[in-house]
Amino acid sequence: AQSVTQLDSQVPVFEEAPVELRCNYSSSVSVYLFWYVQYPNQGLQLLLKYLSGSTLVKGINGFEAEFNKSQTSFHLRKPSVHISDTAEYFCAVSDKRQLTFGSGTQLTVLP
Amino acid sequence: EAGVAQSPRYKIIEKRQSVAFWCNPISGHATLYWYQQILGQGPKLLIQFQNNGVVDDSQLPKDRFSAERLKGVDSTLKIQPAKLEDSAVYLCASSPQQGTSMGYTFGSGTRLTVV
Repeated sequence: AQSVTQLDSQVPVFEEAPVELRCNYSSSVSVYLFWYVQYPNQGLQLLLKYLSGSTLVKGINGFEAEFNKSQTSFHLRKPSVHISDTAEYFCAVSDKRQLTFGSGTQLTVLP
Repeated sequence: EAGVAQSPRYKIIEKRQSVAFWCNPISGHATLYWYQQILGQGPKLLIQFQNNGVVDDSQLPKDRFSAERLKGVDSTLKIQPAKLEDSAVYLCASSPQQGTSMGYTFGSGTRLTVV
């Protein structure tokens, strides 16, 4: 079985400040890791993914994430956020059969 | 390419009524998923199809939920009878194949409110 824990349910941050959204996972097999973003009343959009290789992955909208196998983490970062980044962010893990989501982190960017 | 299409976008029904949702995946995607997303939670997989066969329906409440994908293309999810706790967004997603490294493509979802 696999699971995902997103440690922060809500993260408020001021515009142009850096942000980190935390994600930890557990799985007995090797996994793929994903971050999705969900804007109000919309479906989920893929931000970035880790499959193998370099542990630092870059995604859309200036986001990046770092895979840390020893800490079983896949934290999402952005050096400078914009108002338009306000959304719900979901970390997800795939054991190559099924995609399991965390409970989400609401990022609110304040002016 | 066209995305995953879902309808309706919104539905309000009374408890004990029935409801159906429709999903048309991306053309050529063999794998189709239905997720339930309750407010404040992450999406939870209800059922996964590979072509027109069910791969995983272990979390589908089969006493009231049913789903089909008869021709291996579009799919319907039905709830009968609905309960208050079924209020959620129902998301459909598709991928080229099971276990794809590409991630899934999601539709915009159907927001169900049971009153």
